[in-house]
Amino acid sequence: GAGVSQSPRYKVAKRGQDVALRCDPISGHVSLFWYQQALGQGPEFLTYFQNEAQLDKSGLPSDRFFAERPEGSVSTLKIQRTQQEDSAVYLCASSRRGAGQTQYFGPGTRLLVL
Amino acid sequence: AQSVAQPEDQVNVAEGNPLTVKCTYSVSGNPYLFWYVQYPNRGLQFLLKYITGDNLVKGSYGFEAEFNKSQTSFHLKKPSALVSDSALYFCAVRALAGGYNKLIFGAGTRLAVHP
Repeated sequence: GAGVSQSPRYKVAKRGQDVALRCDPISGHVSLFWYQQALGQGPEFLTYFQNEAQLDKSGLPSDRFFAERPEGSVSTLKIQRTQQEDSAVYLCASSRRGAGQTQYFGPGTRLLVL
Repeated sequence: AQSVAQPEDQVNVAEGNPLTVKCTYSVSGNPYLFWYVQYPNRGLQFLLKYITGDNLVKGSYGFEAEFNKSQTSFHLKKPSALVSDSALYFCAVRALAGGYNKLIFGAGTRLAVHP
């Protein structure tokens, strides 16, 4: 079956622009995660959804970051008034519900803020 | 606080030789441990995980990992390396939080397999 898909794959934004990153999880996966991967680093947790409920947003770096999953499937990560430090790869992952379940990652969106 | 350390930035090995990529962790309670591999411009691909049970876990592409509770380690191994194994490898541990897998990743180890 299809894996996790993300769009766009690459995004160049001017500082101050708003961007929206999309994630399509694996069908039937209840859990959805967003991670941020800076150059040369491991991914860092941003936020978690169980169905449409955002249960953990402790990793969002500022109130410029906003995520939603209104129908419990597709999710959008929005970054308002982008800054250069927002440049990174944004990874989405999905899994079945429960501890120990494997997260399957999408290819990521590489965001470059100029 | 939970954390993961991958002490080697890069590991070099000749094709056909065994390889080990090291990972140590710090977590309270029983750890859930994962290995992922990342190829250029690709997302993370799941290799294997340890939740409970046998300390030796077998995964995809001939990789295995050994959970060692006393040494708090979860090293990734493969008996015979291939050039195509060259990639970036990440170890991760589940952070203790409300019944879901919020993962904490190490900084990654670049594996270079030379012909």
